[in-house]
Amino acid sequence: ETGVTQSPTHLIKTRGQQVTLRCSSQSGHNTVSWYQQALGQGPQFIFQYYREEENGRGNFPPRFSGLQFPNYSSELNVNALELDDSALYLCASASGGGTEAFFGQGTRLTVV
Amino acid sequence: AQSVTQLDSQVPVFEEAPVELRCNYSSSVSVYLFWYVQYPNQGLQLLLKYLSGSTLVKGINGFEAEFNKSQTSFHLRKPSVHISDTAEYFCAVTKTSYDKVIFGPGTSLSVIP
Repeated sequence: ETGVTQSPTHLIKTRGQQVTLRCSSQSGHNTVSWYQQALGQGPQFIFQYYREEENGRGNFPPRFSGLQFPNYSSELNVNALELDDSALYLCASASGGGTEAFFGQGTRLTVV
Repeated sequence: AQSVTQLDSQVPVFEEAPVELRCNYSSSVSVYLFWYVQYPNQGLQLLLKYLSGSTLVKGINGFEAEFNKSQTSFHLRKPSVHISDTAEYFCAVTKTSYDKVIFGPGTSLSVIP
């Protein structure tokens, strides 16, 4: 059991809208990463937060943004939604003393 | 930069037969290697990991993988598959436990009764 929880589990939005996805990291983990998994593909790294600061970013446009809070929970915000943003969004948390990141069950976003 | 290649996008195999899912990686530094399984409409579950030490790694559900540094490979094997093993399998690499994870494109394993 990973201890990483994401909400909501499913979401339907209209093109052009904005969306916020939430992630509660495993206890003691100070690093949170977000991934986008399009249908039939492997997860792609969006960005990472460490102690409330962005600490690395993948090849995603600025309309993908995030926050990390003092309790190390995190949000992923996507503005001006496009049809291609439809995907499973995965959150993962980790700590420097661990051996791997732990993934949540994901949020399935559908943009219509 | 790291990258991961999974040579087979789809692997059909009969129940109780052995299976090997292939994974090759590219990296200029030492890495940690992982295999994840994803069942339909679910998140990722860690099958096994290689950090250092013994090159043969055993995981959950009877799976094992062998790290081969000279061939930069980390192939996943199971001697006898079950219907319940039908899923998507992802090979992944990272530099440290808290660094970004680079995933391969996935291999869809279909177990035929």
